[in-house]
Amino acid sequence: EVQLVESGGGLVQPGGSLRLSCAVSGFTFNTYWMTWVRQAPGKGLEWVANINEDGSENYYADSVKGRFTISRDNAKNSLYLQMNSLRAEDTSVYYCARFRGGLWGQGTLVIVSS
Amino acid sequence: QPVVTQEPSFSVSPGGTVTLTCGLISDSVSTNHYTSWYQQTPGQAPRTLIYDTNIRSSGVPARFSGSILGNKAALTITGAQADDESDYHCVLRMGGGIWVFGGGTRLTVL
Repeated sequence: EVQLVESGGGLVQPGGSLRLSCAVSGFTFNTYWMTWVRQAPGKGLEWVANINEDGSENYYADSVKGRFTISRDNAKNSLYLQMNSLRAEDTSVYYCARFRGGLWGQGTLVIVSS
Repeated sequence: QPVVTQEPSFSVSPGGTVTLTCGLISDSVSTNHYTSWYQQTPGQAPRTLIYDTNIRSSGVPARFSGSILGNKAALTITGAQADDESDYHCVLRMGGGIWVFGGGTRLTVL
């Protein structure tokens, strides 16, 4: 069964850090680009970052560039998002996704608040 | 980053046909943008309907179809049903590895 399962969300203070993980199963992970997408409460979807098959290329939305880092471990079939210098406006549900073929996880909630 | 446009809201009668669009402020959408369409109900993760402009995702009914109409990407729902009432999001692949979502369309079936 194909699955993408996010974890690592929670409550963090402004300026703090959090690392999200996405465990993947059911497909050959190292042959696909992977993506993080977020959705603030009551808002639309926002593309955050993506990474190529071997981790040598990555791209970021302007809103997170310099603060967030996407990475992957193909041996562990896992995708990560390291989030530093968090702001209130980063509060969102964060989804990992495989755009090609349209697979999404269920999301993990990040709340940035004092 | 470029702005992707979607109708904020749309309504369709049960059994009717509706076409939602996904455009760019200052360019035309083509197959090179690899448009994807997602359906989302409150509290749920997005469900992929269409990717790569017109490829239906596994398990998606044939009444959902994607295309390029004029200078925009389009999602057409033929024979709308009550449970099609949802938010619909599109995303476009831009240059430099960047993707940009539209603001979403809230579809009402009444």
